[in-house]
Amino acid sequence: ETGVTQTPRHLVMGMTNKKSLKCEQHLGHNAMYWYKQSAKKPLELMFVYNFKEQTENNSVPSRFSPECPNSSHLFLHLHTLQPEDSALYLCASSQDPNGLAGSYEQYFGPGTRLTVT
Amino acid sequence: TQLLEQSPQFLSIQEGENLTVYCNSSSVFSSLQWYRQEPGEGPVLLVTVVTGGEVKKLKRLTFQFGDARKDSSLHITAAQPGDTGLYLCAGEKTNDYKLSFGAGTTVTVRA
Repeated sequence: ETGVTQTPRHLVMGMTNKKSLKCEQHLGHNAMYWYKQSAKKPLELMFVYNFKEQTENNSVPSRFSPECPNSSHLFLHLHTLQPEDSALYLCASSQDPNGLAGSYEQYFGPGTRLTVT
Repeated sequence: TQLLEQSPQFLSIQEGENLTVYCNSSSVFSSLQWYRQEPGEGPVLLVTVVTGGEVKKLKRLTFQFGDARKDSSLHITAAQPGDTGLYLCAGEKTNDYKLSFGAGTTVTVRA
């Protein structure tokens, strides 16, 4: 149990659907992240929220829309996705990314395996 | 261009053998982390190294941070099937406020 939960664990959606991924962290951390993990590629950072404020949008297409209502919850809203968006979407949190070495240790959830048909 | 290069990409060994995974970069990092990811799960943090030349041990796993803080290695002694997984290194650059991940090394330990 890592203290970060994600739902759903698996999602199959058509290209015209709208769905949302949910992440919740029970660790009292201040920062939350969305990553995309595709086969044979490094983890791709998508979004960073620090104290509920978005501090990073790594050139992600607008069909992915994040929402962070508080420091414990993070959503990723999906709309009109493409088949190449099929991947494992990982949520992570870290305690206090203040620039000090080691302050970005990530605690990951189990991921949502997304398949776009 | 990838910031962190991991090698080898795949490693398959027999139970009881030793193995080493490398993580290299031309950039300097304020710290470097190692994660292990099992199929169907998210990565789990194993260790963080901060000081150049630092060596940390976690049971049969030994982690080393290069003197120049540009590279790191993970050595597993007497590997067991439970060590099977994807090993990821990730680096923090000063004032970058995010991690850069390597592509990972898939380790398979055969019983």
